[in-house]
Amino acid sequence: SQQGEEDPQALSIQEGENATMNCSYKTSINNLQWYRQNSGRGLVHLILIRSNEREKHSGRLRVTLDTSKKSSSLLITASRAADTASYFCATEDAGNMLTFGGGTRLMVKP
Amino acid sequence: IAGITQAPTSQILAAGRRMTLRCTQDMRHNAMYWYRQDLGLGLRLIHYSNTAGTTGKGEVPDGYSVSRANTDDFPLTLASAVPSQTSVYFCAIQWAGPDGYTFGSGTRLTVV
Repeated sequence: SQQGEEDPQALSIQEGENATMNCSYKTSINNLQWYRQNSGRGLVHLILIRSNEREKHSGRLRVTLDTSKKSSSLLITASRAADTASYFCATEDAGNMLTFGGGTRLMVKP
Repeated sequence: IAGITQAPTSQILAAGRRMTLRCTQDMRHNAMYWYRQDLGLGLRLIHYSNTAGTTGKGEVPDGYSVSRANTDDFPLTLASAVPSQTSVYFCAIQWAGPDGYTFGSGTRLTVV
């Protein structure tokens, strides 16, 4: 069974718009991570937010974490066509196991 | 620095055959993982190893075995492949710092 579930499953926006993806999970976590995967490629780590953090920024990325609601969101601001990819959230538990959600497919139209 | 290398890149395998997917790292990290990725299901953990000499089962271990004779290598073996093992397989190492996991480029396996 999957720990994280992303919403929406697919998202299509115009270049310059913001993209928001949500992730919900079920059990206690040490941290939550977001990854990006371009078609046919491996996963690339984007950002990690620890369970005692509420918000984190990295360039055009903003991640929030609400442990009371067991949810996280990834915001990509001023999107670019090159941001087109699948985005996955993953939760790390106390045993250091990383469990992935099904991903959000983002398409940014030029 | 190569980081993590997987081989082969892709393989078509007849059902019933034995196959070993290779994963090698040059970063000297202790923790290594094997995931499979199927459409719409994200990545699911097959097996893991926290350190050389130890291995553990993940979410979907049946039909797979691993070994960890040394820090650098973590091969995944399908003893007798079945079509349901058609998938993309990713090896990963855990970075203890803020950079999460590092993934290999994957092995696309088709069992026919």
